[in-house]
Amino acid sequence: EVQLLESGGGLVQPGGSLRLSCAASGFTFSSYAMSWVRQAPGKGLEWVSAISGSGGSTYYAASLKGRFTISRDNSKNTLYLQMNSLRAEDTAVYYCAKDPGDGYNSPLNFDYWGQGTLVTVSS
Amino acid sequence: DIVMTQSPDSLAVSLGERATINCKPSQSVLYSSNNKNYLAWYQQKPGQPPKLLIYWASTRESGVPDRFSGSGSGTDFTLTISSLQAEDVAVYYCQQYYTTPLTFGGGTKVEIK
Repeated sequence: EVQLLESGGGLVQPGGSLRLSCAASGFTFSSYAMSWVRQAPGKGLEWVSAISGSGGSTYYAASLKGRFTISRDNSKNTLYLQMNSLRAEDTAVYYCAKDPGDGYNSPLNFDYWGQGTLVTVSS
Repeated sequence: DIVMTQSPDSLAVSLGERATINCKPSQSVLYSSNNKNYLAWYQQKPGQPPKLLIYWASTRESGVPDRFSGSGSGTDFTLTISSLQAEDVAVYYCQQYYTTPLTFGGGTKVEIK
């Protein structure tokens, strides 16, 4: 059974940093691309970033302007999102999502999702 | 970026009746080399993460009831729930994966009339 468990969310002041983690199990982690997708309170879905199965290719939403960095440790079956210079508008539930492909050419869609971790940026 | 426009924003349908949701990408998501539409549909119930329903515009994900169907091509897509059940109350999103950034529609809330 595929399981994705996010952690690392919480309350952070504007300008602060946070690192999210997503522990994966139930599939061959290194064979699949992974993404982070966020959802602001009461709003729709916004794709944040993706990384190929090998970690060699990364993709980002342009709006992040270099503030976020996605990475993975295939030996630990874990996906990460380093978030810097956080702003109030980054407040959202952050979901880790599995891609049905390896992401070598491009990420696709999301066949499994974690339950999400809430990030609140506020003073 | 490809802008995904969904309509309507919300709809109320009687139990057993048909629900139809539209999704219009701002540019074609049909990849000519493989004739595939790079479009997916998701269902999100309150307090839950989204669930993949349909990919490649019309392929149902394993375990998804056959009352859910996807159709369309290029810049015009539809998600149809043929006979609405109480458990189908949710927000539905379309998503394109033709190019990055991956983008979602704004969502359509489906309720019982």
